[in-house]
Parts: sequence; C-alpha cells; structure tokens
Amino acid sequence: EVQLLESGGGLVQPGGSLRLSCAASGFTFSSYAMSWVRQAPGEGLEWVSTISGSDSSTYYADSVKGRFTSSRDNSKHTLYLQMNSLRADDTAVYYCAKTISPSGYYAFNYWGQGTLVTVSS
Amino acid sequence: SVLTQPPSVSAAPGQKVTISCSGSSSNIGNNYVSWYQQLPGTAPKLLIYDTNKRPSGIPDRFSGSKSGTSATLGITGLQTGDEADYYCGTWDGSLSGVVFGGGTKLTVL
Repeated sequence: EVQLLESGGGLVQPGGSLRLSCAASGFTFSSYAMSWVRQAPGEGLEWVSTISGSDSSTYYADSVKGRFTSSRDNSKHTLYLQMNSLRADDTAVYYCAKTISPSGYYAFNYWGQGTLVTVSS
Repeated sequence: SVLTQPPSVSAAPGQKVTISCSGSSSNIGNNYVSWYQQLPGTAPKLLIYDTNKRPSGIPDRFSGSKSGTSATLGITGLQTGDEADYYCGTWDGSLSGVVFGGGTKLTVL
C-alpha cells in the first residue's frame, strides 16, 4: 500500500524558513518523480515543485522559484521542501504527491494527508 | 488560474453533468489531462489521467475527453456522495510545470 506522510508544518514568521518532509512507502521511490502541491485556505490547488526520480531534476512554480528548494533522499524514501523567505501568501496546506508514472509528471495518483504551513507574525 | 473551469455546476441525483476545462496550446492542446475530486477536508483523489483513463477503483460513471485546447469531465448517475470540488490539471510546456484549473464545485440537488 502506497503511503505518503508529510511533516514539518507549523507557524513561522514572515521572512522565516521551514523544511517539510514527506516519508514514502509502498512503491519504488527512486523510480518516480515526486511533487509538492499546496492549497491556501478556501482556495484551489497550486502546483509548487516537481523533482524527478533519477537525476533529481527540479521544476518550480514562478511564485516560489528562488525561495523554495525541493530535494530527495532515495535511500531514505523521503522527499523534502526547504522553504525560505516565507511570505503570508505561502500560507497553505502542503501536499506531497506521487506521479502516476516515471515519465508522467503531470498526474498524481497518491497524495499525502497534507501539512499546514502558516506564515504570520 | 492558467486553466479555466466554471466555478460551480449542479444537477439532480441520477442525472449527468459535465465540467469543462479550457486552456491553450501550451498546456491542454499538447498534453494529457488529469482530473481530481476533492471532498471537504480531504486530499485530492485522481479520477482521470491520460485525458480519458481511469485508475483502478474509479467507477465508469466518470469519464474524460478532450477537444483541441479544452477538456471535459463527465459524471453520470449522479450521487449525493459526488458533491465535491473537481480540478483539472496538465503539464504546461511554456511554464515547464503543472497547471491546475481553479476548481468546480459540484452540487447534487
């Protein structure tokens, strides 16, 4: 059974940093690209970042480029999102999601339960 | 949002509803489309991928199609349990990233 478990969310002041983790199990982690998708309170889904499975190529939304860094440790089956220079509009539930196929970066067949990040003074 | 969806749709139990998703040649026009269902307080659930394929466990009441730069999700035999927010998604080659629609709230009257 595929499981994705996010952690690391919480309250942080504007300008601060936070690192999210996503522990994966139930599939060959290194074979799949993984993504972060966020959802602000009462709003829709917003893609944040995707990291490939093998060579760890990364892709970012313009809204987080230069501030967020996605990485992975295939030996630990864990995905990370380092978030720096946080702003109020980064407040959201952050989901990690597994891509449906090794080359299918656009579709996500498994999602974690989400972790809430609140940026406020 | 890069992809445009109607904010809301409604239909009676047992009826059929369609949800549209409009994009451009850089996204829907040249890429596969996915659809997600999000029940209140839960993570999104994949309904459709590769424009018209259903993951294991998704009933055939849900279907997907595409024409040009627009995609459509169809739901037949509506049930009260289908009340949820629905999102389309695809890859955008110009942005080099995933784009989602703004979401459509389905009400089963």
